[in-house]
Amino acid sequence: GNSVTQMEGPVTLSEEAFLTINCTYTATGYPSLFWYVQYPGEGLQLLLKATKADDKGSNKGFEATYRKETTSFHLEKGSVQVSDSAVYFCALKNNNNDMRFGAGTRLTVKP
Amino acid sequence: SQTIHQWPATLVQPVGSPLSLECTVEGTSNPNLYWYRQAAGRGLQLLFYSVGIGQISSEVPQNLSASRPQDRQFILSSKKLLLSDSGFYLCAWSQESNQPQHFGDGTRLSIL
Repeated sequence: GNSVTQMEGPVTLSEEAFLTINCTYTATGYPSLFWYVQYPGEGLQLLLKATKADDKGSNKGFEATYRKETTSFHLEKGSVQVSDSAVYFCALKNNNNDMRFGAGTRLTVKP
Repeated sequence: SQTIHQWPATLVQPVGSPLSLECTVEGTSNPNLYWYRQAAGRGLQLLFYSVGIGQISSEVPQNLSASRPQDRQFILSSKKLLLSDSGFYLCAWSQESNQPQHFGDGTRLSIL
């Protein structure tokens, strides 16, 4: 079946550090891949997406590239800010509307 | 543009009391609708999803039920709440195919 495995947290970084949160997936067919962000006390917000192999999703300085050969969709940001502190979820969705989320990775950025 | 509304934002209920959480979507028609639960510090657990009025699929056996009385309305209910029902409940919608899900702001439910 479809599943998503992402890096366990928590991750603690200093401001302006480089961020990588790993995400790998198992899926039949050709899923779309997503990263969501959840700020404290709020719902999930779509951060970026990629719908086919080699696509790069980007938003607010975050990037992730759909790598079919390694079944990965790692989230990266070159310079994190305190305001990026949140929980990040990797997710995939197949044509049959089956959406799977990773367990989430909590990021804390310290000034 | 499409919007999703969930209420209430927070709720404190005694064990054994009933529950009704409501979710509505605006700006789209015939969306797929979802209820998730997120326990403290944990990931998302899909509870129910619906592809149309009156059509509900349950993902896990539990104390809760869902209904979709109108195209853009999704209700999560319980006749008698348990302590284990505490959590953060999220409603979401999506169109078909590979489009992402869009989430409401969530309801934090505390059972005393």
